[in-house]
Amino acid sequence: DAGVTQSPTHLIKTRGQQVTLRCSPISGHKSVSWYQQVLGQGPQFIFQYYEKEERGRGNFPDRFSARQFPNYSSELNVNALLLGDSALYLCASSLVAGGSSYNEQFFGPGTRLTVL
Amino acid sequence: AQSVTQLGSHVSVSEGALVLLRCNYSSSVPPYLFWYVQYPNQGLQLLLKYTSAATLVKGINGFEAEFKKSETSFHLTKPSAHMSDAAEYFCAVSDDNQGGKLIFGQGTELSVKP
Repeated sequence: DAGVTQSPTHLIKTRGQQVTLRCSPISGHKSVSWYQQVLGQGPQFIFQYYEKEERGRGNFPDRFSARQFPNYSSELNVNALLLGDSALYLCASSLVAGGSSYNEQFFGPGTRLTVL
Repeated sequence: AQSVTQLGSHVSVSEGALVLLRCNYSSSVPPYLFWYVQYPNQGLQLLLKYTSAATLVKGINGFEAEFKKSETSFHLTKPSAHMSDAAEYFCAVSDDNQGGKLIFGQGTELSVKP
C-alpha cells in the first residue's frame, strides 16, 4: 500500500511569491495535518483537516491557508513568502481527527521549501 | 497546555552501548505519547506509542520506552546501539483539544561511534 505522498519534493521560491504544496493521504484516511519543520527544530503544527473541514489551526499567520478535497487530498498555500518560511513541510494522515494512541499520524517525506 | 521537553539536543554513544533519550511531558489529562525517528532528508517514522495498556512499550528496531506518571517522563531506550540508529529522535504528545495535533519536542540527534 502506498504511504503518504507529497509533491513537489523540493521547491525554490523568492520572497513575495506564493507556493502550493500537495499531499495525498493513505487510502482510507480522512484526516490530513500539515506541519512546518525549521532546520534544527521539531515540527510545528499548522493545520488539520477532516472531511474537508478545518479541525485545528496552529499559531501561523493568515498567509498560510489550506484545503482538503473530496478525495481527501490536501493543499497547503503560503502567500507573500518570507525568508523565514524556508523549512521542511510535512503532511500527515490519520483515519479520523482526534487525539488517540490508536489514531496515529503517518507522515509523508515532506517538501523542502527554500525562500531566497 | 500540553508540552514536551527533550533533554539533550545531541547524544553520542558507542556502537553496542546503551541508548537513553530523555522526554518529559506536561499534560493536565492522561497523555497520548509517541516517539518518532527522522533519518536525514526523510519524513518521520513512528517508533512506538503509549497506549495506556502497559507502562513499558516496545517499538520497532529494538527500542522501548517506559511511561512514568510520577515523573511525567517517557524516556526512550535501546540496550545496544547500532550504527543504523544514527538519526534525529522526536518525542510528541497528542492534543485532543485540537483534533489530535501532535506537539513535538525539539528533538535529540543520536550519533553512534564505531
